[in-house]
Amino acid sequence: QITLKESGPTLVKPTQTLTLTCTFSGFSLNVSGVGVGWIRQPPGKALEWLALIFWDGDARYRPSLKSRLTITRDTSKNQVVLSMTNMNLVDTATYYCAHRPDDDSGYFYFDHWGQGTLVTVSS
Amino acid sequence: SYELTQPPSVSVSPGHAARITCSGVALPTTYVYWYHQRSGQAPVLVIYEDTKRPSGIPERLSGSKSGTLATLIISGAQVEDEGDYYCYSTDSSVKDWVFGGGTKLTVL
Repeated sequence: QITLKESGPTLVKPTQTLTLTCTFSGFSLNVSGVGVGWIRQPPGKALEWLALIFWDGDARYRPSLKSRLTITRDTSKNQVVLSMTNMNLVDTATYYCAHRPDDDSGYFYFDHWGQGTLVTVSS
Repeated sequence: SYELTQPPSVSVSPGHAARITCSGVALPTTYVYWYHQRSGQAPVLVIYEDTKRPSGIPERLSGSKSGTLATLIISGAQVEDEGDYYCYSTDSSVKDWVFGGGTKLTVL
């Protein structure tokens, strides 16, 4: 059974760096094709893909946010970490991590999601 | 940046068919995925690669695509099908992955 869980601060101040951790079980990030991604959703608004890291460490980012995002993996701990710099009020959202299945399409889609964690940006 | 366009809301009577559309200029050459999100819950993948249904998803949900328009069809809609539906796809460079604005489905 694949499970993912997000953890990190619930409140950050403007200009600070947000660091979120996704701890997963039920799959290995060492398997070819597998990936873990991050998606966020501002309150009452649509979903927004942020980043994805593949089993081989290849990292992809949303073009408009690329300069602010870093995604890394620790396969020994079954964790993926997302950092976002220079947080501002519009970054208030529920942040989800999710599993990309090991298919050959190369597409960035997700079949299992964590429960999400609400991050509020406020001074 | 790339955009996918969905209607904000769709209403359907129980037992009738609902159709939720998603338009995007790159859809003729890229796959579309559909997610269902109930209030306060994480999204659930209901259709992948235009028409495929993950295990555990009811057969009454199906996907189709023609040109720049993808459609999620819920035949025989039930109250449990209510919620927000999002289409998800990429631009022709396969770099900018986006969700549509979401469609709120009401079954009443």
